[in-house]
Amino acid sequence: SYELTQPPSVSVSPGQTARITCSGDALPKKYAYWYQQKSGQAPVLVISEDNNRPSGIPERFSGSSSGTMATLTISGAQVEDEADYYCYSTDSSGNHWVFGGGTKLTVL
Amino acid sequence: QVQLQESGPGLVRPSETLSLTCTVSGGSISPYYWSWIRQPAGKGLEWIGRIYTSGSTNYNPSLKSRVTMSVDTSKNQFSLKLSSVTAADTAVYYCARDSVHNYSSGWYWYFDLWGRGTLVTVSS
Repeated sequence: SYELTQPPSVSVSPGQTARITCSGDALPKKYAYWYQQKSGQAPVLVISEDNNRPSGIPERFSGSSSGTMATLTISGAQVEDEADYYCYSTDSSGNHWVFGGGTKLTVL
Repeated sequence: QVQLQESGPGLVRPSETLSLTCTVSGGSISPYYWSWIRQPAGKGLEWIGRIYTSGSTNYNPSLKSRVTMSVDTSKNQFSLKLSSVTAADTAVYYCARDSVHNYSSGWYWYFDLWGRGTLVTVSS
């Protein structure tokens, strides 16, 4: 079965840049999506199609993809950005959609 | 403003069938794709499956043998049934709306609207 691999945790100080990676064999050919999930809440889409930011998402959130790795970047991370972040994509067939294991971002 | 609300029993006995309904309010259920996603406590997200308002479905291969999804457009609702549950099926279950796009690299579904989630515990 297809898998997306994320680091379990990332920690930065407020104002620093946080980078969260997502590795998957099909990412060179398939888009990645990123969700933010704060404690006790439903996930929220923060990046679509590798690097598109939905309306209402702060400009400090950006995405990129190169080879088998997609990256979510939070430039000037804020305390309110503390959350779990999940990448989401599909295998090369486009039929098997999966989430990455999630990365806990700590900003302190 | 479209909102989703999950409903159903919070406790299900092992080996029985888990049944949940998602009610769409503030807008029409058609013509969209709708998904179920679950999350065990302290763990990651797992996509369970999706249904189109025509009734066509696509399930996660790892759950396909136990999952049935249906839609009732007259009630603006769609439903999930998961059979032969075990403790491993204990999770928060979310319903969500899919946004669909067709690019040169294929069709893409992602979740643009979520319910608040409902906890289902499998225990005797």
